[in-house]
Amino acid sequence: KQEVTQIPAALSVPEGENLVLNCSFTDSAIYNLQWFRQDPGKGLTSLLLIQSSQREQTSGRLNASLDKSSGRSTLYIAASQPGDSATYLCAVRSYGSNDYKLSFGAGTTVTVRA
Amino acid sequence: NAGVTQTPKFRVLKTGQSMTLLCAQDMNHEYMYWYRQDPGMGLRLIHYSVGEGTTAKGEVPDGYNVSRLKKQNFLLGLESAAPSQTSVYFCASTDGWGPNNEQFFGPGTRLTVL
Repeated sequence: KQEVTQIPAALSVPEGENLVLNCSFTDSAIYNLQWFRQDPGKGLTSLLLIQSSQREQTSGRLNASLDKSSGRSTLYIAASQPGDSATYLCAVRSYGSNDYKLSFGAGTTVTVRA
Repeated sequence: NAGVTQTPKFRVLKTGQSMTLLCAQDMNHEYMYWYRQDPGMGLRLIHYSVGEGTTAKGEVPDGYNVSRLKKQNFLLGLESAAPSQTSVYFCASTDGWGPNNEQFFGPGTRLTVL
């Protein structure tokens, strides 16, 4: 069974500092990995999707890397802003799963202090 | 496009009451999902559907039933609510299961069972 872990559970940084969020997974046979953002009381917004054949994806200030063999992904957010405060979730889809589901980590809650 | 919508947004039930949560998507997606989100546990799949008229169990299906009579709608039913079903429920959909297909999420339904 795929297990996804995100450490730390919470992170507080001053504005302008770069953010580094970690995601690890136990089964390296993945199809893809997706990073989501969740604001309090809201749904999930997809930020980046990395296919298993890719090493990284970039969108604006966001960069996500994937090291499938070691079971790790990192989300980098450059020059953080108070508007980046949210919970960030990673999710993987594994090969061989019959239920098409994503396996989620519990998330990292980020606070960017002005 | 409205994307994925969920009705209602909030609900309070007493133990033993029943209710139905409605998910609707206007993106003509084949696959639809119901997840629940509990503190510190990430999202867990309850039931899913790979097309109109089909449903299947996810990892935590007990106490829930679903129906997909129309392609755009996916209903989640609680026949006899229990306090353990207090959670935030998210619906999601995707148009395929290729390596570049994202899941799109609704805003969630916050359910409290007293």
